[in-house]
Amino acid sequence: KNQVEQSPQSLIILEGKNCTLQCNYTVSPFSNLRWYKQDTGRGPVSLTIMTFSENTKSNGRYTATLDADTKQSSLHITASQLSDSASYICVVSRWENTGFQKLVFGTGTRLLVSP
Amino acid sequence: DTGVSQDPRHKITKRGQNVTFRCDPISEHNRLYWYRQTLGQGPEFLTYFQNEAQLEKSRLLSDRFSAERPKGSFSTLEIQRTEQGDSAMYLCASSSRGDTQYFGPGTRLTVL
Repeated sequence: KNQVEQSPQSLIILEGKNCTLQCNYTVSPFSNLRWYKQDTGRGPVSLTIMTFSENTKSNGRYTATLDADTKQSSLHITASQLSDSASYICVVSRWENTGFQKLVFGTGTRLLVSP
Repeated sequence: DTGVSQDPRHKITKRGQNVTFRCDPISEHNRLYWYRQTLGQGPEFLTYFQNEAQLEKSRLLSDRFSAERPKGSFSTLEIQRTEQGDSAMYLCASSSRGDTQYFGPGTRLTVL
């Protein structure tokens, strides 16, 4: 079954601290993995995208890793800011028989950065 | 602003009524997607257009749901005879070929 599981469900950290969010997936055939940030009441915004051959990708204070063998990914946030408070969704793309690239979304990790 | 736009942002309706949502994608994007997101969950795929052709439909898209993209630009999603279970955020996204999907702000539907 094509699933994406994320942990923890929610997380509270102090401003300035680092944190790491986890993602495990069983999606096949794998195309790529993305991390999205979703503010409350808004649509998701892409942070990083990694293909099968990439094992790390950075975007400012966000660093994503991918282990395609164990089907695990992580998103590390460095020196957190209040504006980092949001849901972070792990999304894995799979190729459908029709050639359509379907996104399979995790349920997200809700991060709260406290002053 | 050249991002994906959706209208309305919020819709409250009574059970049994019909509702229609509109999505305007990024102008150069030929691919358009509709998703539904309930509280605490990730978005679920509903349907996909390439230009004006509807190429994929999820089994989640019951007979009460219909989507169109008549000229390959904006799209509408209509829900007939709404039910309380239809209450959710309806997200639209667009992309160019296989590139990253850019999401709109969503339409939050509440069915009373």
